[in-house]
Amino acid sequence: DIQMTQSPSSLSASVGDKITITCRASQDISSYLAWYQQKPGKVPELLIYAASTLQSGVPSRFSGSGSGTDFTLTISSLQPEDFATYYCHKYNSSPRTFGQGTKVEIK
Amino acid sequence: DVQLLESGGALVQPGGSLRLSCGASGFTFSSFEMNWVRQAPGKGLEWLSYISSDSSTIYYADSVKGRFTVSRDNAKNSLYLQMSNLRVEDTAVYSCARGTIMRLWGQGTLVTVSS
Repeated sequence: DIQMTQSPSSLSASVGDKITITCRASQDISSYLAWYQQKPGKVPELLIYAASTLQSGVPSRFSGSGSGTDFTLTISSLQPEDFATYYCHKYNSSPRTFGQGTKVEIK
Repeated sequence: DVQLLESGGALVQPGGSLRLSCGASGFTFSSFEMNWVRQAPGKGLEWLSYISSDSSTIYYADSVKGRFTVSRDNAKNSLYLQMSNLRVEDTAVYSCARGTIMRLWGQGTLVTVSS
């Protein structure tokens, strides 16, 4: 099975900072990767799909890149509402694994 | 409104069984693939199962294979998860999610496995 390794597991940042979260697949998954944001007590929300396509309604400060095995989620200027946990998710084949999550906290 | 609503969560003893339901409304349920995802308390998201729109293709995570069965009834706009031989580590909020790329999620239903 393909493993998804997300890093870091947590990070502290300030409003206005640029942050990058990495997701690595143990095998080539082409661009079949999505990113989700989850706030406490809320359902996950889709941010990015096909590795780099921004979901409608998601602010442009979010961007995704990568293909094959290495992917990144970047927030160009962190806003107060962005403090949350972020998950990558592969959806090309079974098992459709999530990364372990990255918790973004306020510094 | 376009929504998914899970039900059926409960407190169950280890080794017990439970059937979860996910009701869909506001969209053509029969056109969409569906998934079950769970989240244990304080933990991350865990994908459990996928079912194609016509039920012809079904996948499971290794952690539930042989114990959980996904099904759907397109006439009733409903998705199901039959869970058997439940373990303490199955304690989680179980959510259904629409699509290969999961754009729509239900709020989830809590399953607690404890003696």
